[in-house]
Amino acid sequence: DARVTQTPRHKVTEMGQEVTMRCQPILGHNTVFWYRQTMMQGLELLAYFRNRAPLDDSGMPKDRFSAEMPDATLATLKIQPSEPRDSAVYFCASGQGPTSTDTQYFGPGTRLTVL
Amino acid sequence: RKEVEQDPGPFNVPEGATVAFNCTYSNSASQSFFWYRQDCRKEPKLLMSVYSSGNEDGRFTAQLNRASQYISLLIRDSKLSDSATYLCVVNPRTGGYNKLIFGAGTRLAVHP
Repeated sequence: DARVTQTPRHKVTEMGQEVTMRCQPILGHNTVFWYRQTMMQGLELLAYFRNRAPLDDSGMPKDRFSAEMPDATLATLKIQPSEPRDSAVYFCASGQGPTSTDTQYFGPGTRLTVL
Repeated sequence: RKEVEQDPGPFNVPEGATVAFNCTYSNSASQSFFWYRQDCRKEPKLLMSVYSSGNEDGRFTAQLNRASQYISLLIRDSKLSDSATYLCVVNPRTGGYNKLIFGAGTRLAVHP
């Protein structure tokens, strides 16, 4: 049963530290999404790649966040420097083909706490 | 105004009850509509797509009213395992690309 994997599952860090989250999309999926979920804001799209090219990162704070896809099997989301307001669950999702945006398969998430 | 609005609940219902959730969306040009389900501390998963003609999947029925910009989900004969948060999701399909806009979710608790 193919799944999106994310590491780490939990991360506790101190303000100012760099945080890197990793995602392995389902093999063969060409679209990758990064989301952030908080109680206050719900699920927000941060960035979106198709065939490894960034299509939309308008939801991402540019000064501290960066997202990349070094290859088709790895997507990364980096926060530097981290702040307490970044505490949230970060989900990666992947999709395939013409309905890749409509039918997204989510990973288990990285639960980030910034102290 | 939020792009997708839902009643946060919680809806507390007994097993066997019928429960309905509603959702409104602001972009009248939106093209695709879905319900996703999210269990506590888990990832969202697609429950069903919503079609203009309405569609049914077992105990679940989804309806779309484009004129009123309104989507609904009906769950019949509720089970304990239906307890979760139900996310109303819209794909506006604008700007040359498309993306999902998630509502904040409606929490359902089914009790014995």
